[in-house]
Formats: sequence, C-alpha cells, structure tokens
Amino acid sequence: GAVVSQHPSWVICKSGTSVKIECRSLDFQATTMFWYRQFPKQSLMLMATSNEGSKATYEQGVEKDKFLINHASLTLSTLTVTSAHPEDSSFYICSGNGRVDFEQYFGPGTRLTVT
Amino acid sequence: QKEVEQNSGPLSVPEGAIASLNCTYSDRGSQSFFWYRQYSGKSPELIMFIYSNGDKEDGRFTAQLNKASQYVSLLIRDSQPSDSATYLCAVRSNTDKLIFGTGTRLQVFP
Repeated sequence: GAVVSQHPSWVICKSGTSVKIECRSLDFQATTMFWYRQFPKQSLMLMATSNEGSKATYEQGVEKDKFLINHASLTLSTLTVTSAHPEDSSFYICSGNGRVDFEQYFGPGTRLTVT
Repeated sequence: QKEVEQNSGPLSVPEGAIASLNCTYSDRGSQSFFWYRQYSGKSPELIMFIYSNGDKEDGRFTAQLNKASQYVSLLIRDSQPSDSATYLCAVRSNTDKLIFGTGTRLQVFP
C-alpha cells in the first residue's frame, strides 16, 4: 500500500514556458503533500508543504509565484513551474504523509530539463 | 550543528556482511525516526520507522533508537549488492515535516 504516482516522469521544455507536474496518492488519502527538489549528487530539498484545500507553505528561499502548488483533493496535488529557466532543471519529487506516524511515501519523481 | 547528521560515506562492505549506518539528531524532543533508501536517479523508498527506544526488526533490516544519546542506526544483515544505495535518515519535526540527513552511500561488493 501507500503508492504515490507522478506525471510526467520526465519533461523537456523551452525556457520561458510553464510546466505542470501532478502528484497522486493512489491507495490512501494524503492530507498533507510535500514537494522536494533534488539536484545531482545533492540531498533532498523541501520546497513546500501543501494541505488539501488550503494554501501551500513554502520554505525559505522558494519563490511561491514561480512554483505554484495546488492541493485540490486528498489524492491530488500539482506543482506548476512558471516561466521555467535552465537553472530550474532538476528532479522534482512529491510525497504524501501516511497515517501511522507521519511517514512520507514518495512518488517516483519528475525529471525536468529546461532548454 | 546540522539537525540530522550522517556520514556521507561511502561505506563499503562485502556481500554477506552486516552494514551499519548511523545517524545523530540535535532536537532532543524528536519522537519519530525514519530510514529511506534511494537508488541513484530514483526517489526515496521508505524502509522502516521507529519511535520507541530499542530495536525494531523487519526482515534483514534492524533499526535501533537511543533517545538519550540522540542517535538512530540501521543494520542491514546479509548485505547484497542490490543494497548498494544511499540511505537517508529522517526525523519528524514538531510539524508534519521530515528533516533529512544528507545520506550515507553504501557499497556492497561481491
């Protein structure tokens, strides 16, 4: 159990365009979802925390107008990277929290390349 | 001082040996602790979590927690080359967030 999917798994876009990434909890309801970014050979960096039906909470240094997060239901959260630039190229991973002890289950990640 | 610290490694062990991965944390009030495995190019996968002092076993994995000393460890028995990955220690903060260490890279050689 506790499966999280992400779509797309990889995407290439041109600089200046926007990209939307979907995160779905398939067999559980995630009241809270998290969005992370990971650059090659670096650790996970939490970008934001989103709760169903409310505004996301962004970590310090993360531009909320650039990384739009919507958590419309208990099984779906989306991250939109607006006006993407090459420096936004990274591995974006979402997770949903379980109910036992706030353990997080991660999606497979989305690899974004901005050309 | 970082909130969650791990030795970056690599930790190299021969196949069949016990791999011991360690993690220390700074917040004495932390209650829940998690171990994740991350293969190169993939997302983290939850191995197990622990919140009581002592040992918790799941197959070849044993998590050990010592709150007085503020450390948590993961033992992998009968290590296999397929266990070669980066192991992330995480501690639950006083919100829902998990604070991750930078990970220890484990290499199991045949």
